[in-house]
Amino acid sequence: EVQLVESGGALVKPGGSLRLSCAASGFTLNVAWVSWVRQAPGKGLEWIGRMKSETGGGTPDYAAPVKGRFTLLRDDSKNTLYLQMRSLKTEDTAVYYCATSYEVYYYSGMDVWGQGTTVTVSS
Amino acid sequence: DIQLTQSPSFLSASVGDRVTITCRASQVISSYLAWYQQRPGKAPKLLISAASTLQSGVPSRFSGTGSGTEFTLTISSLQPEDFATYYCQHLKTYPCTFGQGTKLEIK
Repeated sequence: EVQLVESGGALVKPGGSLRLSCAASGFTLNVAWVSWVRQAPGKGLEWIGRMKSETGGGTPDYAAPVKGRFTLLRDDSKNTLYLQMRSLKTEDTAVYYCATSYEVYYYSGMDVWGQGTTVTVSS
Repeated sequence: DIQLTQSPSFLSASVGDRVTITCRASQVISSYLAWYQQRPGKAPKLLISAASTLQSGVPSRFSGTGSGTEFTLTISSLQPEDFATYYCQHLKTYPCTFGQGTKLEIK
């Protein structure tokens, strides 16, 4: 079964750091374009970044609100994508999802989503 | 950055109604558009890819049309399980922004 499982969400103080994991099963992560999407409480979906597939260049892209603070790293040996978050702000409080395009092209949509992991930034 | 504007933001309808949600892009995005359904507390679910391709397992009452800057999601006959929030997303280039969402509620 093709699956993504996020973990690592926690309560953290403003200015702190946290690392989220997105573990893939049923497929190899480095052939996929994998995005992180977050949803603040009661708000809509916000795309925050993606790691391109190896054939697509294997480099990350970031949205402006997180660029310079968040870093995407992939560990092929663990088939896992990490979202390293630094200098966290209260506005980073959200459910964080990872998602990928498995049976569709990466530019057509994201058809596999994890269940989400909750990050709360509060003093 | 490409902005997506969904309308309406809120929609009240009855079982059996036909409803249409519109998504307008600030630039031409060809057919690089997806539609998602999200139920409370759940991850989004891909309904339509590439503007008009119905995903496997999604009921045929859902359809998507459009290209360029204007897109629509239509539900031909609302069922109780369709009351949820719907989002469009472009994937032409990063950032792959979402529309602000359309909350569909039972009248």
